[in-house]
Amino acid sequence: GAVVSQHPSWVICKSGTSVKIECRSLDFQATTMFWYRQFPKQSLMLMATSNEGSKATYEQGVEKDKFLINHASLTLSTLTVTSAHPEDSSFYICSARGDRGPLETQYFGPGTRLLVL
Amino acid sequence: GENVGLHLPTLSVQEGDNSIINCAYSNSASDYFIWYKQESGKGPQFIIDIRSNMDKRQGQRVTVLLNKTVKHLSLQIAATQPGDSAVYFCAENTHNQGGKLIFGQGTELSVKP
Repeated sequence: GAVVSQHPSWVICKSGTSVKIECRSLDFQATTMFWYRQFPKQSLMLMATSNEGSKATYEQGVEKDKFLINHASLTLSTLTVTSAHPEDSSFYICSARGDRGPLETQYFGPGTRLLVL
Repeated sequence: GENVGLHLPTLSVQEGDNSIINCAYSNSASDYFIWYKQESGKGPQFIIDIRSNMDKRQGQRVTVLLNKTVKHLSLQIAATQPGDSAVYFCAENTHNQGGKLIFGQGTELSVKP
């Protein structure tokens, strides 16, 4: 139980294009979803927190106009990297928490590797 | 930021030995802790959790110990197997932080056959 999926698993795009990443909770309802970014050999960096039906809360230093987050339903959140540039290349991971297990527990998706050329 | 680590600590153990991975957490008000396992190229996987009103919790082959006095958390893996090779992260939750988890820098466990 508590399965979270992400799509796509990897994407290569040209500089200047936008990329959308989907995060879905498959067997539970996710009231809150989180988006992280991870560089090689480093820990997870929280980018933003999104609650279903409301605007996302971004961490300090994360540009909300560049990383658009939508959490339209209890099972789906999307992250759109707008006008992507090579420095946006990274591993993006979402997590979800809701009606499965302790309220504080976050269950993670498999991640999306983004490469911007 | 507090989640950025420049050098990932590593732990190398022999297959069959027990592993102990340590974590110093930051907030004395944190009330819930989780250990995650992250294999290369994958997302973190929940292993075990513990609340601040407990000192020890056991799972299958894993035990988490919590010492609130020194803000220390450890994960013990019994009879370590090659499949246990991964990066292990501790994470802490503080009640009034909107559900955010604060992650440690991680420890890379390497199991030698």
